[in-house]
Amino acid sequence: NAGVTQTPKFQVLKTGQSMTLQCAQDMNHEYMSWYRQDPGMGLRLIHYSVGAGITDQGEVPNGYNVSRSTTEDFPLRLLSAAPSQTSVYFCASSNGENRPSTDTQYFGPGTRLTVL
Amino acid sequence: AQTVTQSQPEMSVQEAETVTLSCTYDTSESDYYLFWYKQPPSRQMILVIRQEAYKQQNATENRFSVNFQKAAKSFSLKISDSQLGDAAMYFCAYRTRRLNNNDMRFGAGTRLTVKP
Repeated sequence: NAGVTQTPKFQVLKTGQSMTLQCAQDMNHEYMSWYRQDPGMGLRLIHYSVGAGITDQGEVPNGYNVSRSTTEDFPLRLLSAAPSQTSVYFCASSNGENRPSTDTQYFGPGTRLTVL
Repeated sequence: AQTVTQSQPEMSVQEAETVTLSCTYDTSESDYYLFWYKQPPSRQMILVIRQEAYKQQNATENRFSVNFQKAAKSFSLKISDSQLGDAAMYFCAYRTRRLNNNDMRFGAGTRLTVKP
């Protein structure tokens, strides 16, 4: 199993550009999430999905769009990048079974995004 | 909304000694998970330990243990026999157990230094 994979690892954008951060998991997990990590602020939830076709907003959703057409993939779209979106982005997945013994969140390696 | 607070931005410990990292949280829910994650310089998020709110017994994982005080909404992490490899950022996190909800909140983190 590759676990949770994210592409690209690094990206530099100019203000106003759009792009999609890719996230995929091969563990057949129902739940997937996107977080951003800024210095001194820990991880903050952007959007999450509890299954294909179902998404919901997290703590900081503005400026980002998501969709979940398959169980495996959960892309994050920046429609018009702004310098405030400079951050490290993490994707995570879990089985969503709500059983303590198995419901662990697995994180991808992160994408470092810089918006100039 | 749930909030997680880590009041110690930095901590240091001598190798082989014991250190305790503090975490408090605020919630109106009665059923939830609490976590400690470790993030080394590689940026990878690594689950250290998990606690279910309905369990009174404190979780332990080898050298790592927690002190969970539900009424006080406190969740501290104790690392015994500290090793150089324990040096990292440590994040406390809260996750709801509501069905079809993957909302997870993180504290700002504590940077742990281990001195040889």
